[in-house]
Amino acid sequence: DTEVTQTPKHLVMGMTNKKSLKCEQHMGHRAMYWYKQKAKKPPELMFVYSYEKLSINESVPSRFSPECPNSSLLNLHLHALQPEDSALYLCASSEGLAGVNEQYFGPGTRLTVT
Amino acid sequence: RKEVEQDPGPFNVPEGATVAFNCTYSNSASQSFFWYRQDCRKEPKLLMSVYSSGNEDGRFTAQLNRASQYISLLIRDSKLSDSATYLCVVNIITGNQFYFGTGTSLTVIP
Repeated sequence: DTEVTQTPKHLVMGMTNKKSLKCEQHMGHRAMYWYKQKAKKPPELMFVYSYEKLSINESVPSRFSPECPNSSLLNLHLHALQPEDSALYLCASSEGLAGVNEQYFGPGTRLTVT
Repeated sequence: RKEVEQDPGPFNVPEGATVAFNCTYSNSASQSFFWYRQDCRKEPKLLMSVYSSGNEDGRFTAQLNRASQYISLLIRDSKLSDSATYLCVVNIITGNQFYFGTGTSLTVIP
């Protein structure tokens, strides 16, 4: 099973709203990722969690707040977003070990900020 | 300099054609290499890992040249269903970082 699940599939929120994106994997992977993807562009890394600790924050604005409650779950809390934050938000996971380290993506949350 | 460089295309090829995509990477510490396929408005899906000895999966062949820091993907006998964006991805295990190329757009024409 190489499944990463994400909820919700679609989200429309106003600039003053607070919402959360959720991601789950049951592959025993120890690294989890948040990416942002705009149309016709590759995924852009936002955060990496390794063994439930934040290991990389790619200078993401504080209106995006990641959380890793346990090794299977990853959340992205959203607050006071801007219309330019509208994008596909992808969660991914990988084993996080040396060797061939394949990364698996969830279906994404398509976010629209109005 | 970008970590991964990839020709964005687009490539428009007739059904049955053979098409090749190339990708170069800049960090010699790169350890793992992959090709992903992404359909419009969908997530990237792993197509193939790329091994040093080269590997083949049906109509798809991937090659790695560590000396030249170069990865390739060859698709033989193209099908309409191969139309997608193909992403070259490189993993540097330190920090569990994955670096993406810009993606190459392929359209297979009937």
